[in-house]
Amino acid sequence: EAGVAQSPRYKIIEKRQSVAFWCNPISGHATLYWYQQILGQGPKLLIQFQNNGVVDDSQLPKDRFSAERLKGVDSTLKIQPAKLEDSAVYLCASSLKAEAFFGQGTRLTVV
Amino acid sequence: SQQGEEDPQALSIQEGENATMNCSYKTSINNLQWYRQNSGRGLVHLILIRSNEREKHSGRLRVTLDTSKKSSSLLITASRAADTASYFCATGTQGGSEKLVFGKGTKLTVNP
Repeated sequence: EAGVAQSPRYKIIEKRQSVAFWCNPISGHATLYWYQQILGQGPKLLIQFQNNGVVDDSQLPKDRFSAERLKGVDSTLKIQPAKLEDSAVYLCASSLKAEAFFGQGTRLTVV
Repeated sequence: SQQGEEDPQALSIQEGENATMNCSYKTSINNLQWYRQNSGRGLVHLILIRSNEREKHSGRLRVTLDTSKKSSSLLITASRAADTASYFCATGTQGGSEKLVFGKGTKLTVNP
């Protein structure tokens, strides 16, 4: 069974630039999560999809972050414009029931 | 906001010793899960305990849940250097689909 795929693995951008992350969940998993993990902290939920609908985006900074999950499969997370404090690892996870399966994450550095 | 709070924040033990990590949470839950994260990697699911369960075992892992105290503990017996990682608890609150909220984690170091 293929795992959750994320790309790119690393990204370095300047502040005020835009960036996009891609996630391909495990086939058949209806729930998809995007988490932000700042160094030394636990993952913070940004947005949760159930198929292509949003379940929770209460902690998504909507003035600069956006996410979509077209056709209920792949998902993209975009930041525009980026700030220094957005430097973090962005984790995508998917689940069928309760257990979540995580990708390796995208490490974003904003300089 | 983060639901779970792990304690201690950091733990250093010798190989062969047992490691105990605790998690406290605030609201009602459907289940509580423990995950491991090796440095620079994604999280890996270890074990899930449902709100109507009190104890669960999986290999060298033992998890307990006390819903009256809103707390859980993870015990790793006979630890190995390969157990060195950060451990997170996540509370599952089901409202249509599972919402997973993570704590800040315990950084475990097992010295050979």
